[in-house]
Amino acid sequence: KQEVTQIPAALSVPEGENLVLNCSFTDSAIYNLQWFRQDPGKGLTSLLLIQSSQREQTSGRLNASLDKSSGRSTLYIAASQPGDSATYLCAVTSNDYKLSFGAGTTVTVRA
Amino acid sequence: DTEVTQTPKHLVMGMTNKKSLKCEQHMGHRAMYWYKQKAKKPPELMFVYSYEKLSINESVPSRFSPECPNSSLLNLHLHALQPEDSALYLCASSPGTGSYEQYFGPGTRLTVT
Repeated sequence: KQEVTQIPAALSVPEGENLVLNCSFTDSAIYNLQWFRQDPGKGLTSLLLIQSSQREQTSGRLNASLDKSSGRSTLYIAASQPGDSATYLCAVTSNDYKLSFGAGTTVTVRA
Repeated sequence: DTEVTQTPKHLVMGMTNKKSLKCEQHMGHRAMYWYKQKAKKPPELMFVYSYEKLSINESVPSRFSPECPNSSLLNLHLHALQPEDSALYLCASSPGTGSYEQYFGPGTRLTVT
Protein backbone atom coordinates (compact mmCIF):
# COMPACT_ATOMS: atom_id res chain seq x y z
CA LYS A 1 0.00 0.00 0.00
CA GLN A 2 1.27 3.45 -0.94
CA GLU A 3 2.32 5.59 2.03
CA VAL A 4 2.85 9.34 1.58
CA THR A 5 4.68 11.42 4.17
CA GLN A 6 5.01 15.20 4.34
CA ILE A 7 7.62 17.04 6.36
CA PRO A 8 7.34 19.36 8.19
CA ALA A 9 3.80 19.14 9.54
CA ALA A 10 3.75 22.89 10.12
CA LEU A 11 5.85 25.83 9.03
CA SER A 12 5.83 29.50 10.00
CA VAL A 13 7.90 32.03 8.05
CA PRO A 14 8.09 35.81 7.69
CA GLU A 15 6.75 37.34 4.52
CA GLY A 16 9.22 37.27 1.64
CA GLU A 17 11.00 34.11 2.70
CA ASN A 18 11.08 31.12 0.36
CA LEU A 19 9.13 28.02 1.36
CA VAL A 20 10.35 24.44 0.94
CA LEU A 21 7.83 21.64 1.47
CA ASN A 22 8.84 17.99 1.29
CA CYS A 23 6.91 14.89 0.27
CA SER A 24 8.02 11.26 0.16
CA PHE A 25 6.26 8.12 -1.02
CA THR A 26 7.03 4.45 -0.57
CA ASP A 27 6.09 2.90 -3.94
CA SER A 28 7.80 4.47 -6.94
CA ALA A 29 5.34 2.85 -9.40
CA ILE A 30 3.24 5.98 -9.82
CA TYR A 31 1.39 7.68 -12.67
CA ASN A 32 1.82 11.19 -11.34
CA LEU A 33 2.16 13.42 -8.29
CA GLN A 34 -0.06 16.39 -7.52
CA TRP A 35 0.37 19.26 -5.10
CA PHE A 36 -2.82 20.78 -3.69
CA ARG A 37 -3.65 23.75 -1.54
CA GLN A 38 -6.49 23.64 1.00
CA ASP A 39 -7.83 26.59 2.95
CA PRO A 40 -9.64 25.82 6.25
CA GLY A 41 -13.00 24.12 5.64
CA LYS A 42 -12.64 24.40 1.88
CA GLY A 43 -12.03 22.06 -1.03
CA LEU A 44 -8.71 21.29 -2.68
CA THR A 45 -7.12 23.52 -5.31
CA SER A 46 -4.70 21.77 -7.64
CA LEU A 47 -1.41 23.66 -7.84
CA LEU A 48 0.87 21.47 -9.94
CA LEU A 49 0.74 18.06 -11.58
CA ILE A 50 3.98 16.22 -12.37
CA GLN A 51 3.75 13.16 -14.59
CA SER A 52 5.98 10.22 -13.66
CA SER A 53 8.22 10.90 -16.67
CA GLN A 54 8.81 14.53 -15.68
CA ARG A 55 11.39 15.98 -13.30
CA GLU A 56 9.73 19.29 -12.47
CA GLN A 57 6.85 21.66 -13.11
CA THR A 58 6.63 25.40 -12.65
CA SER A 59 3.74 27.80 -12.28
CA GLY A 60 4.45 31.39 -11.33
CA ARG A 61 6.16 31.43 -7.93
CA LEU A 62 5.68 27.68 -7.53
CA ASN A 63 8.14 25.02 -8.59
CA ALA A 64 7.81 21.31 -7.87
CA SER A 65 10.44 18.64 -8.46
CA LEU A 66 10.01 14.90 -8.65
CA ASP A 67 12.61 12.19 -8.08
CA LYS A 68 10.58 9.06 -8.70
CA SER A 69 13.40 6.60 -8.08
CA SER A 70 14.00 7.92 -4.57
CA GLY A 71 10.29 8.54 -3.92
CA ARG A 72 10.58 12.26 -3.24
CA SER A 73 9.06 15.54 -4.32
CA THR A 74 9.70 19.08 -3.18
CA LEU A 75 7.46 22.11 -3.57
CA TYR A 76 9.20 25.49 -3.60
CA ILE A 77 7.23 28.69 -3.13
CA ALA A 78 9.28 31.81 -3.83
CA ALA A 79 8.87 35.10 -2.00
CA SER A 80 6.06 33.96 0.27
CA GLN A 81 3.05 36.20 0.96
CA PRO A 82 0.43 36.11 3.75
CA GLY A 83 -2.05 34.85 1.13
CA ASP A 84 0.05 31.70 0.79
CA SER A 85 -1.02 30.64 4.30
CA ALA A 86 -2.86 27.34 3.88
CA THR A 87 -2.38 23.59 4.14
CA TYR A 88 -0.45 22.06 1.26
CA LEU A 89 -1.14 18.43 0.38
CA CYS A 90 0.94 16.10 -1.73
CA ALA A 91 -0.80 13.18 -3.47
CA VAL A 92 0.37 10.38 -5.75
CA THR A 93 -1.64 8.33 -8.24
CA SER A 94 -0.48 4.74 -8.02
CA ASN A 95 -0.88 1.97 -10.57
CA ASP A 96 -4.21 0.99 -9.01
CA TYR A 97 -5.52 4.44 -10.11
CA LYS A 98 -5.94 5.52 -6.48
CA LEU A 99 -4.83 8.93 -5.25
CA SER A 100 -3.01 8.67 -1.91
CA PHE A 101 -2.52 11.81 0.15
CA GLY A 102 0.04 12.91 2.66
CA ALA A 103 -1.14 14.48 5.92
CA GLY A 104 -0.19 17.95 4.69
CA THR A 105 2.03 20.84 5.73
CA THR A 106 0.27 23.79 7.33
CA VAL A 107 1.98 27.01 6.32
CA THR A 108 1.68 30.36 8.08
CA VAL A 109 3.27 33.40 6.45
CA ARG A 110 3.63 36.26 8.95
CA ALA A 111 3.20 39.81 7.66
CA ASP B 1 -14.58 25.81 -17.24
CA THR B 2 -12.59 23.75 -14.72
CA GLU B 3 -15.22 23.77 -12.02
CA VAL B 4 -16.71 20.97 -9.99
CA THR B 5 -19.81 22.03 -8.06
CA GLN B 6 -21.25 20.37 -4.98
CA THR B 7 -24.56 20.86 -3.23
CA PRO B 8 -25.47 21.45 -0.53
CA LYS B 9 -22.56 23.31 1.08
CA HIS B 10 -23.69 22.26 4.55
CA LEU B 11 -25.98 19.46 5.70
CA VAL B 12 -27.19 18.52 9.16
CA MET B 13 -29.05 15.24 9.43
CA GLY B 14 -30.31 12.89 12.09
CA MET B 15 -29.31 9.27 12.26
CA THR B 16 -32.66 8.13 10.85
CA ASN B 17 -32.75 10.58 7.93
CA LYS B 18 -32.14 9.92 4.26
CA LYS B 19 -30.34 12.61 2.33
CA SER B 20 -28.25 12.96 -0.83
CA LEU B 21 -25.14 14.86 -1.82
CA LYS B 22 -24.81 16.05 -5.39
CA CYS B 23 -21.75 16.70 -7.54
CA GLU B 24 -21.66 18.09 -11.07
CA GLN B 25 -19.01 18.80 -13.67
CA HIS B 26 -19.25 20.03 -17.26
CA MET B 27 -15.68 19.44 -18.36
CA GLY B 28 -16.46 16.23 -20.23
CA HIS B 29 -14.59 14.20 -17.64
CA ARG B 30 -15.29 10.47 -17.57
CA ALA B 31 -14.00 9.67 -14.08
CA MET B 32 -15.60 10.94 -10.89
CA TYR B 33 -14.68 10.35 -7.26
CA TRP B 34 -16.01 10.67 -3.72
CA TYR B 35 -13.62 11.36 -0.85
CA LYS B 36 -14.22 11.75 2.88
CA GLN B 37 -12.10 14.13 4.93
CA LYS B 38 -12.14 14.29 8.71
CA ALA B 39 -10.83 17.37 10.50
CA LYS B 40 -7.07 17.82 10.22
CA LYS B 41 -6.72 14.60 8.20
CA PRO B 42 -6.07 14.03 4.49
CA PRO B 43 -8.90 13.02 2.16
CA GLU B 44 -9.68 9.31 1.97
CA LEU B 45 -10.98 7.74 -1.22
CA MET B 46 -14.47 6.24 -1.01
CA PHE B 47 -15.64 5.51 -4.56
CA VAL B 48 -14.45 5.85 -8.15
CA TYR B 49 -16.71 5.91 -11.19
CA SER B 50 -15.23 5.43 -14.64
CA TYR B 51 -17.50 5.90 -17.66
CA GLU B 52 -20.49 5.91 -15.30
CA LYS B 53 -19.62 2.51 -13.86
CA LEU B 54 -18.41 1.93 -10.31
CA SER B 55 -14.80 0.83 -10.61
CA ILE B 56 -13.50 1.22 -7.05
CA ASN B 57 -15.33 0.86 -3.73
CA GLU B 58 -12.97 1.25 -0.81
CA SER B 59 -14.99 -1.04 1.48
CA VAL B 60 -17.33 1.78 2.39
CA PRO B 61 -20.30 0.89 4.66
CA SER B 62 -23.57 0.30 2.82
CA ARG B 63 -25.17 3.32 4.50
CA PHE B 64 -23.30 5.27 1.80
CA SER B 65 -24.69 4.53 -1.67
CA PRO B 66 -23.15 6.19 -4.73
CA GLU B 67 -24.92 6.77 -8.01
CA CYS B 68 -23.73 8.11 -11.36
CA PRO B 69 -26.85 8.83 -13.45
CA ASN B 70 -24.86 10.37 -16.31
CA SER B 71 -21.35 11.46 -17.19
CA SER B 72 -21.77 14.90 -15.57
CA LEU B 73 -23.49 13.99 -12.34
CA LEU B 74 -22.50 12.03 -9.25
CA ASN B 75 -24.68 11.49 -6.21
CA LEU B 76 -23.99 10.08 -2.77
CA HIS B 77 -27.08 8.78 -1.00
CA LEU B 78 -26.93 8.73 2.78
CA HIS B 79 -29.06 6.61 5.11
CA ALA B 80 -28.86 5.71 8.81
CA LEU B 81 -25.56 7.51 9.29
CA GLN B 82 -23.61 7.59 12.53
CA PRO B 83 -22.17 10.67 14.27
CA GLU B 84 -18.67 9.49 13.28
CA ASP B 85 -19.67 9.96 9.63
CA SER B 86 -19.60 13.73 10.19
CA ALA B 87 -16.93 15.05 7.83
CA LEU B 88 -16.23 17.10 4.72
CA TYR B 89 -17.28 15.10 1.64
CA LEU B 90 -15.33 16.02 -1.45
CA CYS B 91 -16.12 15.20 -5.05
CA ALA B 92 -13.51 15.20 -7.79
CA SER B 93 -13.36 14.53 -11.51
CA SER B 94 -10.69 13.81 -14.10
CA PRO B 95 -10.63 13.14 -17.85
CA GLY B 96 -10.08 9.46 -17.10
CA THR B 97 -8.48 7.27 -14.47
CA GLY B 98 -4.70 6.98 -14.28
CA SER B 99 -2.33 9.77 -15.20
CA TYR B 100 -4.83 12.63 -15.18
CA GLU B 101 -5.14 15.64 -12.94
CA GLN B 102 -8.03 15.50 -10.52
CA TYR B 103 -10.20 18.58 -10.01
CA PHE B 104 -11.95 18.92 -6.67
CA GLY B 105 -15.19 20.59 -5.68
CA PRO B 106 -15.61 22.78 -2.58
CA GLY B 107 -17.09 19.94 -0.55
CA THR B 108 -20.20 19.37 1.55
CA ARG B 109 -19.80 19.76 5.30
CA LEU B 110 -21.93 16.98 6.83
CA THR B 111 -22.95 16.87 10.48
CA VAL B 112 -24.81 13.83 11.80
CA THR B 113 -26.69 14.43 15.05
